[in-house]
Parts: sequence; structure tokens; C-alpha cells
Amino acid sequence: EVQLLESGGTLAQPGASLRLSCEVSGYTLRDYAMAWVRQTPGRGLEWVSAISGSGGTTHYADSVQGRFTISRDNSKNTLYLHMSSLRVEDTAIYYCGKTINWGYLVSWGQGTLVTVSS
Amino acid sequence: EIVLTQSPGTLSLSPGERATLSCRASQSVASSFLAWYQQKPGQAPRLLIYGASSRAPDIPDRFSGSGSGTDFTLTISRLEPEDFAVYYCQQYGTSPRLTFGGGTKVEIK
Repeated sequence: EVQLLESGGTLAQPGASLRLSCEVSGYTLRDYAMAWVRQTPGRGLEWVSAISGSGGTTHYADSVQGRFTISRDNSKNTLYLHMSSLRVEDTAIYYCGKTINWGYLVSWGQGTLVTVSS
Repeated sequence: EIVLTQSPGTLSLSPGERATLSCRASQSVASSFLAWYQQKPGQAPRLLIYGASSRAPDIPDRFSGSGSGTDFTLTISRLEPEDFAVYYCQQYGTSPRLTFGGGTKVEIK
């Protein structure tokens, strides 16, 4: 059974840094591109970032470019999202997802809540 | 960026009725690279349809997708109690940059 489990969400101050993790099981992580998607009541679902199976290719939404870094450790079956210079508008539930050819998300984690507030 | 507009915002129906949800794109979606997801309160989205009309594994056949270009439809032929939820469309024609629609809530009338 494919499972994705996010962790690391917490309350952070504006300008702070945070690292989210997504541990996967039930499949070989390196065989799939992975993505982070966030959700807020106001902005709905928003694609944040994606990374190739090998980790050599990454992509970011304009809203997080230069502040967030996606990475993966295939030996640990874990995907990461390092978030820096956090802003209030980064407040959201962050989901990791297994993509098919960078496209649709065939599996999702349960989400982790990041709240940015002073 | 391709903007997806879903309508209606809320659909009030009774169990057993047919639900028709619309997703309109601001420009043509390449190769019908459109997916539909179902989300229930407190849960992550779940993939229902990909490629505009292909059902994901274990999705009941009462769910069907259709459309191409800029107009797509998700149909639930006969609503079951567990189908009342929020539904989102998502395009991946511009992958890896993905965009999602604002969602349609299907509620019990």
C-alpha cells in the first residue's frame, strides 16, 4: 500500500525557516517525480514545487521561487521542502504528492499545517 | 498560466440524483491533460479521473469525465451518500506547473 506521511508543520514567525518532510512507503521513491501542493481557504489548492526522480531537476511556483528548496533523499524514502523567509501568506496545509510524469497526483499525504504569524 | 473556473460553486442534490460539474479553462489544455479530485473534510484530495476521461484505480464507474480543449465535465451518474464532497479539476498540460480550479461543493439537498 502506498503511503505518504508529512511532518514538520508548525507555527513560525515571519522571516523564519522551516523544513517539511514527506516519508513514503509502498513504492520506490526514485521512480517518480514528486510535488508539494498547498491549500488555503482563500486561495484553494496551489502547486508549490516539483522534483524529478533523481532529484536533478526542480521547479518552483513564482510565489516561492528563491525562498523554498525542494529536495529528496531516495535512500531514506523521504522528500523535503525547505522553506525560508516565511511570509504570512505561506500559511497553508502542505501536501506532498506522487506524480505521474510530473502531471496529476496519484497519491497524496495527509497534509501538514504551517502557520506563519507573529 | 491556465486558469480553471469551476461551476457551479455549490450543487445541492439528493442521493440517487445525477451530478454534472463543469471545469472551464482560460486556454486549451494540451492533450486533454485534465484530472479531477474528490476531497472530504479533513482529508487530502483523492484522484478520480485523469486524462479527462480515464478513471483512477478503484474509482466506481458512476464517476465519469469528458471534454477536451477548454471545456471539461465530471458526471456522477447516481449520487451515493459518500459522494457528497468538494471536487476539484486540475490541468497538467503545462506540467510541471500545475493549476487547480476553485472547486465545486456537492451538498445534500
